[in-house]
Amino acid sequence: DQQVKQNSPSLSVQEGRISILNCDYTNSMFDYFLWYKKYPAEGPTFLISISSIKDKNEDGRFTVFLNKSAKHLSLHIVPSQPGDSAVYFCAASDPGGGADGLTFGKGTHLIIQP
Amino acid sequence: KAGVTQTPRYLIKTRGQQVTLSCSPISGHRSVSWYQQTPGQGLQFLFEYFSETQRNKGNFPGRFSGRQFSNSRSEMNVSTLELGDSALYLCASSPQPSNQPQHFGDGTRLSIL
Repeated sequence: DQQVKQNSPSLSVQEGRISILNCDYTNSMFDYFLWYKKYPAEGPTFLISISSIKDKNEDGRFTVFLNKSAKHLSLHIVPSQPGDSAVYFCAASDPGGGADGLTFGKGTHLIIQP
Repeated sequence: KAGVTQTPRYLIKTRGQQVTLSCSPISGHRSVSWYQQTPGQGLQFLFEYFSETQRNKGNFPGRFSGRQFSNSRSEMNVSTLELGDSALYLCASSPQPSNQPQHFGDGTRLSIL
């Protein structure tokens, strides 16, 4: 049973526009959520996170929104740049600080078109 | 500050062999976690070590094991390799087990022939 789902395997966005990546989760015990970015042949790089006590967190061009009632979070990138082309993973941890490790979605491949 | 270092980067083995992968965490980080990434299953948690003790283990068979040394460096071992063990193995570190985010190395690509 997949507890973290990223339903879009890929997403194509024009340079300069907004990229919106979505993530749904089923485990209501998750209380901390993270987004990682991964280039080929490299490990995931931490982007931004949000605690379940917040509904929004911003860091430069990146904003994460959390809707606890819908068990949904999204990552907004604006404006999108060519270097943003990568695979983006949504991850969640439980109140034990990740007692079962981070639970990852399967990723969304973001392609920024010039 | 040096990141998480994993060695080797690439490894080719045959079925039935065993393999040991190494991970050096970021200096000062004492928690090390291991993940397996495959195209079909995505990133899956293997186990976590802290203070030389395994804290948690994911849903993997006993062929997958690990250990952590007093300097926080960690190794994972897979015995009796199967074709399905072909994957990218990622190590992540954090200062303490409850600390997020975890910081990842670039992984070891293991191919089983």
